[in-house]
Amino acid sequence: GQQLNQSPQSMFIQEGEDVSMNCTSSSIFNTWLWYKQEPGEGPVLLIALYKAGELTSNGRLTAQFGITRKDSFLNISASIPSDVGIYFCADGSGNTGKLIFGQGTTLQVKP
Amino acid sequence: DTAVSQTPKYLVTQMGNDKSIKCEQNLGHDTMYWYKQDSKKFLKIMFSYNNKELIINETVPNRFSPKSPDKAHLNLHINSLELGDSAVYFCASSQLGGEGTQYFGPGTRLLVL
Repeated sequence: GQQLNQSPQSMFIQEGEDVSMNCTSSSIFNTWLWYKQEPGEGPVLLIALYKAGELTSNGRLTAQFGITRKDSFLNISASIPSDVGIYFCADGSGNTGKLIFGQGTTLQVKP
Repeated sequence: DTAVSQTPKYLVTQMGNDKSIKCEQNLGHDTMYWYKQDSKKFLKIMFSYNNKELIINETVPNRFSPKSPDKAHLNLHINSLELGDSAVYFCASSQLGGEGTQYFGPGTRLLVL
């Protein structure tokens, strides 16, 4: 079946550093989604990507839909302590609303 | 004015018991979902309902039975709870029959002893 591989699994960085994480798929996607889950909360959508090559920003966050349609990356610039959480990529290509999530990247930021 | 709410937030129970988790959304969405997040934080869809009709039913044991009394509510009933059912269960909702952004509730932390 379809697999999403997300890396790295975890990151521990200093405040102010830039962060990069990515997601690869075994099959072609039509929609890439990036969610953030803060401790004790549900996931919240950060960025949605709909076209190959698309580059989208949301504040300090930037995400790109890979040209091959099998990968995506998320960058966070100048990290701050409130960036702490688990970042998930997800396939939102189905028209039934079914999301398939990656394993998540846990980010910790040291002040 | 919580968008997607779940009750209870925490649920501790004995193996073999039956329990229910409730979910309500006030966003006017027509599609609701249940997801399970395991101890490794892996999120997997269980069910989705569109206008009270079951759309997605993943390979979930039939001890789990979702019920949607109206399109603003989707409850999850679990019979004969097992240790492996311990997880965080998230409700979510979206507009446009599943094509819109999904909004997640805060989760219900279920611990089966």
